[in-house]
Amino acid sequence: AQSVTQLDSHVSVSEGTPVLLRCNYSSSYSPSLFWYVQHPNKGLQLLLKYTSAATLVKGINGFEAEFKKSETSFHLTKPSAHMSDAAEYFCVVSDQNDKIIFGKGTRLHILP
Amino acid sequence: EAQVTQNPRYLITVTGKKLTVTCSQNMNHEYMSWYRQDPGLGLRQIYYSMNVEVTDKGDVPEGYKVSRKEKRNFPLILESPSPNQTSLYFCASSRTADMNTEAFFGQGTRLTVV
Repeated sequence: AQSVTQLDSHVSVSEGTPVLLRCNYSSSYSPSLFWYVQHPNKGLQLLLKYTSAATLVKGINGFEAEFKKSETSFHLTKPSAHMSDAAEYFCVVSDQNDKIIFGKGTRLHILP
Repeated sequence: EAQVTQNPRYLITVTGKKLTVTCSQNMNHEYMSWYRQDPGLGLRQIYYSMNVEVTDKGDVPEGYKVSRKEKRNFPLILESPSPNQTSLYFCASSRTADMNTEAFFGQGTRLTVV
């Protein structure tokens, strides 16, 4: 069965410092993996997706994620946090039947 | 502008009073779905639709109904709402059910059942 685990429910970083949001998945097949962002009172927006092409995926707003099959991870990173990055982030996995599963979310706080 | 529109954005209702949350997309997408978002649980799929007149249960369908009479609309119906359905609801659409295509989300409907 597919599952996705976001290891931190809250992450706080100072503005200008790196961001790391962790995501681990389990899947019997080669999954597709996504990160979505949800700003306060807004819907979800796709940040980036991995679909078995390059393992390092670049997304919008300077975010990127690396698919590591050996570690079953798909962590989201950004070199330098900006205040506008404060939001909730969801890691998502889909299986070969296109059933999608959301992680429980990580709320990112940016400290001035 | 490509968008998914949900109405209402906020709703407070009483237990047992039937309600409908509407969802409309202007992108001619085949696939539409409904999610509920609860603290600490992420998003859970309620129902989805692969195309007109084709709907199926997601992970938490109990207490909900949907219909897909036309491609652009996918209303969520709560026949007899209960307090445990208090939640934030999102409608989403994508060109196909293939997750390689991007999903577009509405802005959410915050429902409170008292």
